[in-house]
Amino acid sequence: NAGVTQTPKFQVLKTGQSMTLQCAQDMNHEYMSWYRQDPGMGLRLIHYSVGAGITDQGEVPNGYNVSRSTTEDFPLRLLSAAPSQTSVYFCASSNPNQPQHFGDGTRLSIL
Amino acid sequence: DQQVKQNSPSLSVQEGRISILNCDYTNSMFDYFLWYKKYPAEGPTFLISISSIKDKNEDGRFTVFLNKSAKHLSLHIVPSQPGDSAVYFCAALSGGTSYGKLTFGQGTILTVHP
Repeated sequence: NAGVTQTPKFQVLKTGQSMTLQCAQDMNHEYMSWYRQDPGMGLRLIHYSVGAGITDQGEVPNGYNVSRSTTEDFPLRLLSAAPSQTSVYFCASSNPNQPQHFGDGTRLSIL
Repeated sequence: DQQVKQNSPSLSVQEGRISILNCDYTNSMFDYFLWYKKYPAEGPTFLISISSIKDKNEDGRFTVFLNKSAKHLSLHIVPSQPGDSAVYFCAALSGGTSYGKLTFGQGTILTVHP
C-alpha cells in the first residue's frame, strides 16, 4: 500500500544543473499536484494535472516543467536550478471531490 | 498576497486541555476548507474538512467551525494529546476548482505537553 511515492528524498544540486523529481501514485487517482514548502510560506502550488495529458500552472510555476504521460506518474523538472528553488517539494494525488494524499517530500538544496 | 492566513506560528497546550487553531481567508470565492496535519519528515495528512454550507463539522476529538461572515475558521482539538503535536495547515478551495489546487496557510506548530 505505497500511496504517493517521491524520489529522491534528498538532493543537493549546483546552480545551473537540471534534475527531475519523481512522483508515482498507485491509487489510480486522476488529480496530481506539486507543491513547495518554504519557511513561513506554507505550501504553494507549482503545477497540477487533472488527468493524463493535461497539466496547468499553479501559483509559482516559473523554472519548473511537468508532464503527465500516464495516470501514475507526474515528474517535476527543474531546467536550470537556482538557489531560490531550495525547498521541500511535495507531490499529492486525489480523485475528484476527495482530499489530496501527499507523499513524504523531497528536500532539495541548491548551492 | 496570502489568501489564507494562520497568524499564530505556534501554540502550546497542556495534555487534556483544548487546542484551538485559527485560520483567516480573504478570497470570498473559497467554499471548501480543509485541515491537514504534518509530522516532521512526512507529508501532510488530511484531518477534517468543512463545506461553506455548514458552520460546524465534527470528527471524534476534532471539530472545525466556519464563520463565513468573518471569513474565519478554527480547529478545536478536545482533549489534546501529546501525539497531536505537529504542524497544522488550513487549506481552501473555490467553487468548481479542482481538488488539485489547494491554497494553504502558513501553518501553526502545535505542541501538547504531557
